[in-house]
Amino acid sequence: DAGITQSPRHKVTETGTPVTLRCHQTENHRYMYWYRQDPGHGLRLIHYSYGVKDTDKGEVSDGYSVSRSKTEDFLLTLESATSSQTSVYFCAISESGTSGGLPHTQYFGPGTRLTVL
Amino acid sequence: RKEVEQDPGPFNVPEGATVAFNCTYSNSASQSFFWYRQDCRKEPKLLMSVYSSGNEDGRFTAQLNRASQYISLLIRDSKLSDSATYLCAPSNDYKLSFGAGTTVTVRA
Repeated sequence: DAGITQSPRHKVTETGTPVTLRCHQTENHRYMYWYRQDPGHGLRLIHYSYGVKDTDKGEVSDGYSVSRSKTEDFLLTLESATSSQTSVYFCAISESGTSGGLPHTQYFGPGTRLTVL
Repeated sequence: RKEVEQDPGPFNVPEGATVAFNCTYSNSASQSFFWYRQDCRKEPKLLMSVYSSGNEDGRFTAQLNRASQYISLLIRDSKLSDSATYLCAPSNDYKLSFGAGTTVTVRA
């Protein structure tokens, strides 16, 4: 299994509070991703990173920010949590692309179950 | 129209049966395709990747039809342990777009 950990694994918080989720990898992979998974929607990309300090938005980025100050860590922050952000959050990593441009397999962390009351 | 669509199922099949299901995608620029399996409340795990017309790995076969923009997954000789949700994920620019998944239940 790829060396990916997420913390915390479970969190219950109240509306309006800030929350930070951490993804840590030991694979030295360039790309890191944050997804949320909700019933009926599948996995939706929140933000991703293609290197240290290099990040970009995904399809559901509103209300979320990210930071990547080291290759191994990718943080997801909910500045002011809302009930609509209750979800399961998965981090994923992948290797750098080749000159052929083929995408590489994404490997997922165990997930964080977040409940916003 | 969703970028990736899958029949949610559930597909309820007996042990030993063959089951197949499709995934349609709208982005014709998608270069590669992945099938993941996800067990209840767990992370997705890679089942197989498809870069050309198809791929086979043991009892699992994936077929890609670029003209019609769908990819299928076939499971032969189903085992109880194959019960899971199967996620289809076309890729583009190092990002994956996921379908909502197809649930398969294999019964004894």
